[in-house]
Amino acid sequence: GAVVSQHPSWVICKSGTSVKIECRSLDFQATTMFWYRQFPKQSLMLMATSNEGSKATYEQGVEKDKFLINHASLTLSTLTVTSAHPEDSSFYICSARGQTSGSYNEQFFGPGTRLTVL
Amino acid sequence: AQSVSQHNHHVILSEAASLELGCNYSYGGTVNLFWYVQYPGQHLQLLLKYFSGDPLVKGIKGFEAEFIKSKFSFNLRKPSVQWSDTAEYFCAVLSYNTDKLIFGTGTRLQVFP
Repeated sequence: GAVVSQHPSWVICKSGTSVKIECRSLDFQATTMFWYRQFPKQSLMLMATSNEGSKATYEQGVEKDKFLINHASLTLSTLTVTSAHPEDSSFYICSARGQTSGSYNEQFFGPGTRLTVL
Repeated sequence: AQSVSQHNHHVILSEAASLELGCNYSYGGTVNLFWYVQYPGQHLQLLLKYFSGDPLVKGIKGFEAEFIKSKFSFNLRKPSVQWSDTAEYFCAVLSYNTDKLIFGTGTRLQVFP
């Protein structure tokens, strides 16, 4: 149980276009989803926290108008990178937390989406 | 600022050697502690976690970690590593105050046969 999927697993786009990444909790209801960013050979950095039905809370330095997050249901959150530029190229990872057989404080991670902006 | 430190950035071991990876954090108050592993090309997997109770926590694949509150540490150990343990290891701390999971910088482990 507690499986989180992401789609797509990788995407290549041209500079200036927008890219949408989906994060789904497959077998539990995720009251909270998190979006992280991981640069090559670096750690995960929290970008934003989203609660179902509420606006996302962004970390300092993360542009909310560039990284649009929607958490419209208890099983789906989306991250849209608007007007992507090469510096947005990174590995984006989501996690989900909710009522599962485990502890409420445990986050379950998706497999990540590698974004390359040309 | 709240932070998580992993002192070993790159560790190289031979098979059957013992492993200890350090993790220290700077939070006060109640915390939950995690170790994650990321195998090459794969996503994060939970190795073990500490929420409360016995400070010595056993996880999957023979890993264990000890929470020492007075030292703000949560070091990961394995008595005998295998080649298949080659991966990136991340310590993470969840502070009840902030409700944010903060990751350490990671330790790259290479195990040679």
